Amino acid sequence: AQSVTQPDIHITVSEGASLELRCNYSYGATPYLFWYVQSPGQGLQLLLKYFSGDTLVQGIKGFEAEFKRSQSSFNLRKPSVHWSDAAEYFCAASGSARQLTFGSGTQLTVLP
Amino acid sequence: DAMVIQNPRYQVTQFGKPVTLSCSQTLNHNVMYWYQQKSSQAPKLLFHYYDKDFNNEADTPDNFQSRRPNTSFCFLDIRSPGLGDAAMYLCATSRDGLTLSYEQYFGPGTRLTVT
Repeated sequence: AQSVTQPDIHITVSEGASLELRCNYSYGATPYLFWYVQSPGQGLQLLLKYFSGDTLVQGIKGFEAEFKRSQSSFNLRKPSVHWSDAAEYFCAASGSARQLTFGSGTQLTVLP
Repeated sequence: DAMVIQNPRYQVTQFGKPVTLSCSQTLNHNVMYWYQQKSSQAPKLLFHYYDKDFNNEADTPDNFQSRRPNTSFCFLDIRSPGLGDAAMYLCATSRDGLTLSYEQYFGPGTRLTVT
């Protein structure tokens, strides 16, 4: 079955520190991969996406993600976290079916 | 700016009283989706429209219905809301749903409370 796993339910980092959120997928072939961010009471905003090509993808708000086929991973990174980055982050994937599979999310807390 | 709009942002309904949530889009996307998101959970797809073609997820309760009168609008009808239907309801659109090679654009959501 197709699945997306985010192993970390909650991550706390200090403002200015680097950040890495983990995402692993299980699909028959390489799916399309996405990272979304959700602030409290808001909808989901797309941070970045991977379809093919360069495995290091740049997104908005200074985020990047690296696709590693050998590890079935698509981890999200940011070199220096800002307090406004505190939110919930969802990794998602889609294959040939018309459906987006979400991970369970990672809640990010940023300490001053 | 082109966007996905959901109204209302907050909706309170009584147990068993029908309620309708609305979604509109100015993106001219041909696919529209409805998700249910409960607290601290990932969004769960209820159904989607590919143009006028309605696609229901297998585990979506019959209590949930949807209408899409035109490209721009899509409605979620909950015929007899139960306490377990309290959630955030997210509408999303995409340009082409056949392979989902295009990302989904989400509205801000409607928070439904059932009393």
